[in-house]
Amino acid sequence: AQKVTQAQTEISVVEKEDVTLDCVYETRDTTYYLFWYKQPPSGELVFLIRRNSFDEQNEISGRYSWNFQKSTSSFNFTITASQVVDSAVYFCALRGAGGTSYGKLTFGQGTILTVHP
Amino acid sequence: DTGVSQDPRHKITKRGQNVTFRCDPISEHNRLYWYRQTLGQGPEFLTYFQNEAQLEKSRLLSDRFSAERPKGSFSTLEIQRTEQGDSAMYLCASSLSPGLNAEAFFGQGTRLTVV
Repeated sequence: AQKVTQAQTEISVVEKEDVTLDCVYETRDTTYYLFWYKQPPSGELVFLIRRNSFDEQNEISGRYSWNFQKSTSSFNFTITASQVVDSAVYFCALRGAGGTSYGKLTFGQGTILTVHP
Repeated sequence: DTGVSQDPRHKITKRGQNVTFRCDPISEHNRLYWYRQTLGQGPEFLTYFQNEAQLEKSRLLSDRFSAERPKGSFSTLEIQRTEQGDSAMYLCASSLSPGLNAEAFFGQGTRLTVV
């Protein structure tokens, strides 16, 4: 069975602070993909990044960066110099390749990020 | 608008009534997924289609739930004899082929409230 755990239920920061959202996953698949999605108050899940299990390179996109460490089964997400518009619920998700896990996403519980001006 | 579209956005129904939701995926996407999201939780997988074939159903999908994708395009999710526990956001997503690297695009969801 697959599992994604986001230990932080809520995080509150002041604008311009850096913030890291933690994600730990469990899977028996050797091939899998990890994702981060953002869910603003409108409800739509917005795709942020995809990372495959064979690529442990960290990635940076503007103010966003992701740290994938297979040894600790973690895929953490950092927002640098946070802005009020970053306020949303963030979900980490896993898609496996084996059996019934193929193709479908398993989500974590989500982290509510509030950025105060 | 070329994104995933869901209708209605909100639905309030009385317990025991039947409801039906519609999802229009991105036109070239052959995979379509339904997820349910309750307050404070992440989305949970319900079922998915590859073209018109329903390939998997979650244990969450009780006998009161049925989903169809008759022509491999839009999909409907029906809940019969609704219960208060069915109150949730129902999300639809679509993606290209079964490739693992195919990202899923989500609609804005249908929020169901059973009173």
